Parts: sequence; structure tokens; C-alpha cells
Amino acid sequence: KNQVEQSPQSLIILEGKNCTLQCNYTVSPFSNLRWYKQDTGRGPVSLTIMTFSENTKSNGRYTATLDADTKQSSLHITASQLSDSASYICVVSALTGANNLFFGTGTRLTVIP
Amino acid sequence: DGGITQSPKYLFRKEGQNVTLSCEQNLNHDAMYWYRQDPGQGLRLIYYSQIVNDFQKGDIAEGYSVSREKKESFPLTVTSAQKNPTAFYLCASSIEWGQPNQPQHFGDGTRLSIL
Repeated sequence: KNQVEQSPQSLIILEGKNCTLQCNYTVSPFSNLRWYKQDTGRGPVSLTIMTFSENTKSNGRYTATLDADTKQSSLHITASQLSDSASYICVVSALTGANNLFFGTGTRLTVIP
Repeated sequence: DGGITQSPKYLFRKEGQNVTLSCEQNLNHDAMYWYRQDPGQGLRLIYYSQIVNDFQKGDIAEGYSVSREKKESFPLTVTSAQKNPTAFYLCASSIEWGQPNQPQHFGDGTRLSIL
């Protein structure tokens, strides 16, 4: 069964600290993995997309890693800011199937001053 | 600026009433999607459209209907047959169906509640 699991469910960190969010998946055959940021009451915004051959991709203070062998990804946030408070959603795309996107339930990050 | 506009931001439905959620995009994207987001769950696909005048059921289409008469518009109707319609509804688009490495662009959602 194709699944995407994220951990932790929620996380609270102090402003300026780093944090890492985890995503494990069982989606096969794998096409790509995406991380989205969703502010409260808003739609998700794409942060990164990684294909099978990519193991690291950065977008400013956000760095995503992918280990296609262990089917794990992480999103590392450096020097957190209050504006990083949001839900972060991992989405894995399969190569086949009419509905080929599988969504994680997200990690709710709160950055406090 | 190009993007996806969903309206209204908040919507209330009475028992037995149909309501329609609007989704408009000016990105010139062929593919459009409707998702439902509930607390503690991942996004679930309701309907998708690969191209104008075409649409397909997603995983949870029961109680919903859509139309795609224009490329830029993909309205979703929540019918009285949908027994648990309270949720956050997200519309999305992508350049082309079947382009896996292209991101989906999302609107800012409509929150539907039952009176």
C-alpha cells in the first residue's frame, strides 16, 4: 500500500534554532518527492521537488534530502524564523496510476521568540 | 501576478443545500484538481481535470460534482448527498497532466461549515 508518514506530528522550537522534519514513504514505483509549506488558512506552497537521482536540494534556509534506497526524506530548516511557523507536508509522486500523488499528514512547526 | 483564486474564503451550508466553490486560475495550466483537507489527515483528491471539458473522479468523489467548461475555471459543487462536508477545500493546478516533476500550485482554500 502506498503511504507517506511524517514525524513528528508537531514541533516547537526557539527562534534561531535549527530543526529537521522526517518523511518515510512506501510509494512505488517512485517518481519524485516534494515538500510543501502551508501557513494556517492558506494553500500549500512548493519548497522543493526531488527526483530519484537527487539526494539534496536547497531553497534558502530549507534543505531537503532524499535517500531513495531507504525511502526516507528529511527537511532541515536552518536559523528558524517566526515566519517558519507552518505545517510542512511531504508529497510523494508515483510513476504510474491515474491518482499518483500521496500526501503525508504534515508536521506542525511552531517557532517561538 | 499569476495564481489561483478560490472564493469565497468561508462558506456556510444549511442541511439539504447544494453549494458551489469557485476556482479560477490565470496560469494557463491544463490540469486542475480539487482536494479536501481534514485535521490530522493528508489531502484527499476529490476530482481532477486533465484538460478543458474533461474531468475524472478522485478518491472521494461521492457527494461532489464539477465542471470544466473553460480552461481557467473548475468549480466544485458540494451536494446534499455529501453527509460530512465540513472541511477545508483546496483547488490546485499544474502545467500539464502527467508531468510528474512539475509542482502543483494551490489556491488559498475555502472553509466550508454546516449551519
